[in-house]
Amino acid sequence: AQSVTQLDSQVPVFEEAPVELRCNYSSSVSVYLFWYVQYPNQGLQLLLKYLSGSTLVKGINGFEAEFNKSQTSFHLRKPSVHISDTAEYFCAVLWGAQKLVFGQGTRLTINP
Amino acid sequence: GAGVSQSPSNKVTEKGKDVELRCDPISGHTALYWYRQSLGQGLEFLIYFQGNSAPDKSGLPSDRFSAERTGGSVSTLTIQRTQQEDSAVYLCASSLASGGTNTQYFGPGTRLTVL
Repeated sequence: AQSVTQLDSQVPVFEEAPVELRCNYSSSVSVYLFWYVQYPNQGLQLLLKYLSGSTLVKGINGFEAEFNKSQTSFHLRKPSVHISDTAEYFCAVLWGAQKLVFGQGTRLTINP
Repeated sequence: GAGVSQSPSNKVTEKGKDVELRCDPISGHTALYWYRQSLGQGLEFLIYFQGNSAPDKSGLPSDRFSAERTGGSVSTLTIQRTQQEDSAVYLCASSLASGGTNTQYFGPGTRLTVL
């Protein structure tokens, strides 16, 4: 079975600072990887996904992630965060062609 | 266009009662998924429907949980004899078809509280 580990449960950063949210997955086969964001009292919204090809994936709201097969990682980055980026972020891997297996989530808090 | 909708948005019930949660997927999406988000377990897959194929029920936690999808569109998740550990946010998602190239779009969820 697949598993996803998000190494930080909470990440506080100051506004306009860069941020990296870490994600590692366990798999010995090709993977499809995703980052979703959940704003307070809302559902999940797709930020970006890696299916194949270029290991650097760009998503919405200025986020990007890099797929690293040797380190089985898919870390999410943003060079300069805004107050509106305050949310919970979930890394996920697709398992069995249809099920998303999620990490425990990272709560990103932006301080002014 | 309209996204995935779920109803009710909140449901409070007493232990032992049955509840039904509804999901309306995006029009034209053939795949539909139910997930559960709880403090203790995080986000977990429950069940998946694809067209007229038999659903994948491998994530249902007990036989008190069941789901159906009528006419390939609306889905209902039913929890019988609810327990306090069933308290969670139940999320529905749909996609154009199954497979990783098809993004799963999530609804806002139904927050279930079992007293």
